[in-house]
Amino acid sequence: AQSVSQHNHHVILSEAASLELGCNYSYGGTVNLFWYVQYPGQHLQLLLKYFSGDPLVKGIKGFEAEFIKSKFSFNLRKPSVQWSDTAEYFCAVIKAAGNKLTFGGGTRVLVKP
Amino acid sequence: NAGVMQNPRHLVRRRGQEARLRCSPMKGHSHVYWYRQLPEEGLKFMVYLQKENIIDESGMPKERFSAEFPKEGPSILRIQQVVRGDSAAYFCASSPGQGYLPLYEQYFGPGTRLTVT
Repeated sequence: AQSVSQHNHHVILSEAASLELGCNYSYGGTVNLFWYVQYPGQHLQLLLKYFSGDPLVKGIKGFEAEFIKSKFSFNLRKPSVQWSDTAEYFCAVIKAAGNKLTFGGGTRVLVKP
Repeated sequence: NAGVMQNPRHLVRRRGQEARLRCSPMKGHSHVYWYRQLPEEGLKFMVYLQKENIIDESGMPKERFSAEFPKEGPSILRIQQVVRGDSAAYFCASSPGQGYLPLYEQYFGPGTRLTVT
């Protein structure tokens, strides 16, 4: 069965710092990849997604992610975070021709003003 | 265009009672997914339904849990004889088509937080 690992459970950083959240998945076939964000008190929102093409994907709010197939990774990055980026971030994958998302355990990011 | 609606947002049940969670998909979406998030864990897939059909229930516990998505009305996740271990956040997502296709991403509702006392 496929699984998704997020390396950090909690990340604390200051405004303007750079953010990188790791995500690895274990599935040898073709997958589609997603990063979702859950702001405090709100529901999950899609940050960005990768289906095919350029492995460097740009999403909303200045986030980007890079798909490295050889490493089974899809790390999320933001060059300069803001206090409003405080949230929980979830990596998810879906198999080609599949229907269900498999989520990582989430990373809670706290940005100090 | 309203998003995915779930109600109630919070539900408290005593052990042995039934819990009914409702999900209204986005307009035009005929595919519904239920996920469960246990404390300190990520979301886990439970069931995938299309109108009047259960397509994939591989994540559903074998007993006490059932789901439906009738021709009219919301999708319902039903938990009979709840136990403390059922306490979790239950999220519903919808899409206009099957999730592996590029346009058919899943849009999530706000979740229902079930507490079993």
